[in-house]
Amino acid sequence: QKEVEQDPGPLSVPEGAIVSLNCTYSNSAFQYFMWYRQYSRKGPELLMYTYSSGNKEDGRFTAQVDKSSKYISLFIRDSQPSDSATYLCAMSPTGFQKLVFGTGTRLLVSP
Amino acid sequence: GAVVSQHPSRVICKSGTSVKIECRSLDFQATTMFWYRQFPKQSLMLMATSNEGSKATYEQGVEKDKFLINHASLTLSTLTVTSAHPEDSSFYICSAGGQGGQGHNGQFFGPGTRLTVL
Repeated sequence: QKEVEQDPGPLSVPEGAIVSLNCTYSNSAFQYFMWYRQYSRKGPELLMYTYSSGNKEDGRFTAQVDKSSKYISLFIRDSQPSDSATYLCAMSPTGFQKLVFGTGTRLLVSP
Repeated sequence: GAVVSQHPSRVICKSGTSVKIECRSLDFQATTMFWYRQFPKQSLMLMATSNEGSKATYEQGVEKDKFLINHASLTLSTLTVTSAHPEDSSFYICSAGGQGGQGHNGQFFGPGTRLTVL
């Protein structure tokens, strides 16, 4: 079993839809949770990070962490074609050292 | 802030040659840099962690004599793939640990280097 599980997709939605991206994990020591966006042939870009459980909102993006269920989510409101990319979850027990990544979910937002 | 560059962005080489990839943090000092490898449709796999002025720590299964890492300054780390073979063809991405915008600490990624070994 992988430490971090993420559905690879692709997830196809129409423009304006609310997107829900999720990861599950098995290591209860994880305390820091991040979401990265990666465009094709580019390096990942940090979107959001949260510490421990709870919600965090930044513009159209909301990150949720449920440590009791070992489940994290990223919601994208009013999705745009420019949001089409691969979204990687990553987590760590100790901040930004030694991140463990999910496989990434490919998101396609059609106009 | 928190810009990381990588050079070259793409390299094609013959089997048996060595290739050096540079990773630079442009606007912050990175005491720690990370090197990842990403195969098509797969996630990033950490190869090694390097701290400025000390030897890199390699992940299990990564040959340290094949993937030479040097982190001589707080803004530069290099990865040298020695005697490259076709199975080394991959997307190599570095990241730098430091303080980014809004005072957030983070791991900031370079744009990646696509290596193709013929």
